[in-house]
Amino acid sequence: EAGVAQSPRYKIIEKRQSVAFWCNPISGHATLYWYQQILGQGPKLLIQFQNNGVVDDSQLPKDRFSAERLKGVDSTLKIQPAKLEDSAVYLCASSLVFLEKDRVREKLFFGSGTQLSVL
Amino acid sequence: DQQVKQNSPSLSVQEGRISILNCDYTNSMFDYFLWYKKYPAEGPTFLISISSIKDKNEDGRFTVFLNKSAKHLSLHIVPSQPGDSAVYFCAASTGAGNNRKLIWGLGTSLAVNP
Repeated sequence: EAGVAQSPRYKIIEKRQSVAFWCNPISGHATLYWYQQILGQGPKLLIQFQNNGVVDDSQLPKDRFSAERLKGVDSTLKIQPAKLEDSAVYLCASSLVFLEKDRVREKLFFGSGTQLSVL
Repeated sequence: DQQVKQNSPSLSVQEGRISILNCDYTNSMFDYFLWYKKYPAEGPTFLISISSIKDKNEDGRFTVFLNKSAKHLSLHIVPSQPGDSAVYFCAASTGAGNNRKLIWGLGTSLAVNP
C-alpha cells in the first residue's frame, strides 16, 4: 500500500517569497493533517481536514499560511510571504480511524516531509 | 503549557540493553497514547499504542506501560539495537469524532551504541 506522498522534499527560498507544498494522502483516509516541526520540538498542528472541510485551523497563521484540500484528496499548503521563522519541516499526515471497544481511535501516517529553509 | 512532557531530550544505551523512554502528561482526559519513531529526513512512523483501559501493551521488543494514577507512561525496548537509534515522540489523544485532539511531546533522541 502506498504511503503519504509529499513534495518537494527540500525547498530553499528567501524571506518574503512564496512557497507551496503538496500532499497526497493514503487512499481512503478521510482526515488529513499539516504539521510544522521545528528542530528539537514536537510536531505542531497547523490544520486538520475532514474530507474537504476544515476541522481545526486554530494554530494556522492565517495572515500568511493557507491550505486547501480540493475534492477531499490531495492538499496544498502555501506560505506567502515567508519569514525566517518559517524554516522547519512541514509534515503531512493522513489517519486511519478505527473502533476499539466502542471507542474511536486514530493512527496517523506521515509523509517524509518538506524541509523548508528561509534565508 | 506542555500537556505531554518528555523530560529527557536524549538517552544513550548500549546495544543489547534495555532502553526506557518516559512520558508524563497532565490532562486526565487523555484516553489513548501513542509512540512514534522518527529517523532523520523522514516523517514519524507509528510504533505502538495503548488505551487508557490497559496498563501494558507489548509488540515484539517494544512494550508500553501506562500508570494512570501517576499520569505516566514509558516505552521499553528490549533488547536495544543500533537501528533503534531515532527520536521517539509520545503523543496523547482525547476527544471523539471531529473533536479528537492529538498532543505531542518534544521527543527523546535515543542513541544505541554497538
